[in-house]
Amino acid sequence: DTGVSQDPRHKITKRGQNVTFRCDPISEHNRLYWYRQTLGQGPEFLTYFQNEAQLEKSRLLSDRFSAERPKGSFSTLEIQRTEQGDSAMYLCASSRQLGHYEQYFGPGTRLTVT
Amino acid sequence: AQSVSQHNHHVILSEAASLELGCNYSYGGTVNLFWYVQYPGQHLQLLLKYFSGDPLVKGIKGFEAEFIKSKFSFNLRKPSVQWSDTAEYFCAASQYGNKLVFGAGTILRVKS
Repeated sequence: DTGVSQDPRHKITKRGQNVTFRCDPISEHNRLYWYRQTLGQGPEFLTYFQNEAQLEKSRLLSDRFSAERPKGSFSTLEIQRTEQGDSAMYLCASSRQLGHYEQYFGPGTRLTVT
Repeated sequence: AQSVSQHNHHVILSEAASLELGCNYSYGGTVNLFWYVQYPGQHLQLLLKYFSGDPLVKGIKGFEAEFIKSKFSFNLRKPSVQWSDTAEYFCAASQYGNKLVFGAGTILRVKS
């Protein structure tokens, strides 16, 4: 069990640029979640997948955000035309579909928009 | 709307003191409850979880939590804290294996 991995760990970008983050879940987990965390707050849900199907999206996820999980394994989160308010830690988690649904988190990608 | 609230944002304790962190949730129906911990420089780790059955659940590192349905609470406890327990603690809830809703977190500092 190698854990959830995320890449990159840190990203600094200029306002208006596009960025893409990658998440590799634990191999036998078929659910994958994205959360966003800002300073002093708990993580906030963005979206989740069961296999390749995106089952729920938060209203936090504006049109500039898109997530994919094309083959039901890794996932990407893209932010287009970044804004300073997008600066945050982006967390990925995965879980099994059946049984007790605890989620395991990756180390996160810290995005800074200048 | 579903929500989770944590009572204290910052707690400072001396080593060997007892710890209780409050957590209340606002959900209808069946709820799954969790405590996660984030040590400095590390990612979120599951401390303990409640799905059903015995309302007193034990987790790693001597932590336990009690689910009190009538009070919509899931408080975290530890009889004697150590300096290594310094971390941020998050209470979270979910239904049917869906998204987690987190509280704002409690930063615990243990003085040695």
